[in-house]
Amino acid sequence: EIVMTQSPATLSVSPGERATLSCRASQSVSSNVAWYQQKPGQAPRLLIYGASTRATGIPARFSGSGSGTEFTLTISSLQSEDFAVYYCQQYNNWPPLTFGGGTKVEIK
Amino acid sequence: EVQLVESGGGLVQPGGSLRLSCAASGFTFSSYWMHWVRQAPGKGLVWVSRINSDGSSTTYADSVKGRFTISRDNAKNTLYLQMSSLRAEDTAVYYCARGGYDFLARIGGFFDDWGQGILVTVSS
Repeated sequence: EIVMTQSPATLSVSPGERATLSCRASQSVSSNVAWYQQKPGQAPRLLIYGASTRATGIPARFSGSGSGTEFTLTISSLQSEDFAVYYCQQYNNWPPLTFGGGTKVEIK
Repeated sequence: EVQLVESGGGLVQPGGSLRLSCAASGFTFSSYWMHWVRQAPGKGLVWVSRINSDGSSTTYADSVKGRFTISRDNAKNTLYLQMSSLRAEDTAVYYCARGGYDFLARIGGFFDDWGQGILVTVSS
């Protein structure tokens, strides 16, 4: 099973600042990583797939990068609606499909 | 607009059974793989199971294998999860999710739309 490890667990950022979230895979997953955003009481929403392709309707301030075992989600200028928990997920080698433990982006 | 609406959750005793349903609309249901993903209270996301577009192939997480059965009725645009021998650790919000496909990389396995989730509580 591929283990996905996200860091940090919590990220405190001021509105308008840049946020950088990291995700590491226990073995290479090529570029087959997706990122999701989840707000309290809501379902997750797909942001990024293929490590860097934005899903339909996702604002350009969200960008993804990386390949192999190291991946990054960057939010260029945090808006109030971006404070949430973010999960990475690998789909290169499954079953099982596996998620990281999440990074909570909170207001500083 | 894609809509996925789960139903059938609730409180069940350990060892009991429950069937979840997910009614799909707004897309050609029979063309997509579908998945169940769960989230225990205050915890992260865990993939549970997937079924291919015509229902001929299924896959399960080890934690539910032999206890849960995923199925679908393409005529009714509905996905199901039959859960039996339920345990306290199965307590979670269960989401149905549509399988996404990366046409450039020719690979699927991510989730491009999600239902609102349904709570299953296993407790005596």
